[in-house]
Amino acid sequence: DAGVTQSPTHLIKTRGQQVTLRCSPKSGHDTVSWYQQALGQGPQFIFQYYEEEERQRGNFPDRFSGHQFPNYSSELNVNALLLGDSALYLCASSWDRVGETQYFGPGTRLLVL
Amino acid sequence: DQQVKQNSPSLSVQEGRISILNCDYTNSMFDYFLWYKKYPAEGPTFLISISSIKDKNEDGRFTVFLNKSAKHLSLHIVPSQPGDSAVYFCAADPGGGADGLTFGKGTHLIIQP
Repeated sequence: DAGVTQSPTHLIKTRGQQVTLRCSPKSGHDTVSWYQQALGQGPQFIFQYYEEEERQRGNFPDRFSGHQFPNYSSELNVNALLLGDSALYLCASSWDRVGETQYFGPGTRLLVL
Repeated sequence: DQQVKQNSPSLSVQEGRISILNCDYTNSMFDYFLWYKKYPAEGPTFLISISSIKDKNEDGRFTVFLNKSAKHLSLHIVPSQPGDSAVYFCAADPGGGADGLTFGKGTHLIIQP
């Protein structure tokens, strides 16, 4: 049973560019959450998708947007990249039920130059 | 405004002894708490969770204690093993685990031989 997968593993972009990160949830999971982890910090919640809709959002600007597809996979898009967007981006999947655990992928390391 | 705090950036423990990792929270709406373990270049791995209706949960060598009145939880690892060396994150959720998680900054646990 494949766990949560993310692509690409690493990415280098320049300021002002746009980036798309991808996530495939664990088999059977219908909910996908995205987190940003800066160096030396804990993961910070960006948003969560369920039934192809953004259900919950953390304190991130509109430059961060996402999408969920009918097969539950998800994309995170970041526009007008800033140096401060350099971080590890983590995707987590779960079932939409109270008490269900979020399982994380290995992350995508984004470097903005 | 940090709602989940792990005040010890690092902790060194001898192999075979008990490791105790601490976490404090400020948001009384949190009702579900989780501990994740993270190795370098990997995503966080779920360890153990506890609902606010309990004060203790055990899983093998790992036990989590919750003191709601003090807004404090701790993770006990007994006995500590070399493979336990990693960064440990405390996370909290007001939606029973189904919402976006709020993480602490992590504690780097080092198990000494």
